[in-house]
Amino acid sequence: GIQVEQSPPDLILQEGANSTLRCNFSDSVNNLQWFHQNPWGQLINLFYIPSGTKQNGRLSATTVATERYSLLYISSSQTTDSGVYFCAGTNAGGTSYGKLTFGQGTILTVHP
Amino acid sequence: GAGVSQSPSNKVTEKGKDVELRCDPISGHTALYWYRQRLGQGLEFLIYFQGNSAPDKSGLPSDRFSAERTGESVSTLTIQRTQQEDSAVYLCASRNQASYEQYFGPGTRLTVT
Repeated sequence: GIQVEQSPPDLILQEGANSTLRCNFSDSVNNLQWFHQNPWGQLINLFYIPSGTKQNGRLSATTVATERYSLLYISSSQTTDSGVYFCAGTNAGGTSYGKLTFGQGTILTVHP
Repeated sequence: GAGVSQSPSNKVTEKGKDVELRCDPISGHTALYWYRQRLGQGLEFLIYFQGNSAPDKSGLPSDRFSAERTGESVSTLTIQRTQQEDSAVYLCASRNQASYEQYFGPGTRLTVT
């Protein structure tokens, strides 16, 4: 199966700072998603982004499928952005049935 | 509309007991997935349902784990003779046929003592 590597593993920011989270895949992926896991454990959908660039408020994401990576940008960070950010994708080869392979996550802490 | 719901939210059980975890997918979502998240880790795939059939059970860690689904509705994940290494958060996700975007429930935190 595919391997998903996320970086950095931990990130500490002051409120108002910008950040970039990265996700690398060992093989071609489809159906890439970014999630935010809040302190209560709920996974919140941020982006479904198999390719290209999308923006939603202070967040944006870019996936370059041919180079097997995706980036999540957080601008003007707020304390409520704290939590764990996961990327996940499905293996483009074979029959995946859409099952997601997750990275280990980036733990983001935003201080006031 | 209503999202994916799971019950119970927390379950503490003694080693050796059986447990049942329940998932209610978003209405109309034919595809349903179970994942497991160990402490400090990413999610691991367990099983996939399309309707009430399970074409991919490759992630179930042992024959103590089983799951079923009623039509395109509720799914239950059963763990028999629980072990301490089964302690984790079990999450369910669903999607519709038009998209591969998955939506997750809040999870069931299972603690085996």
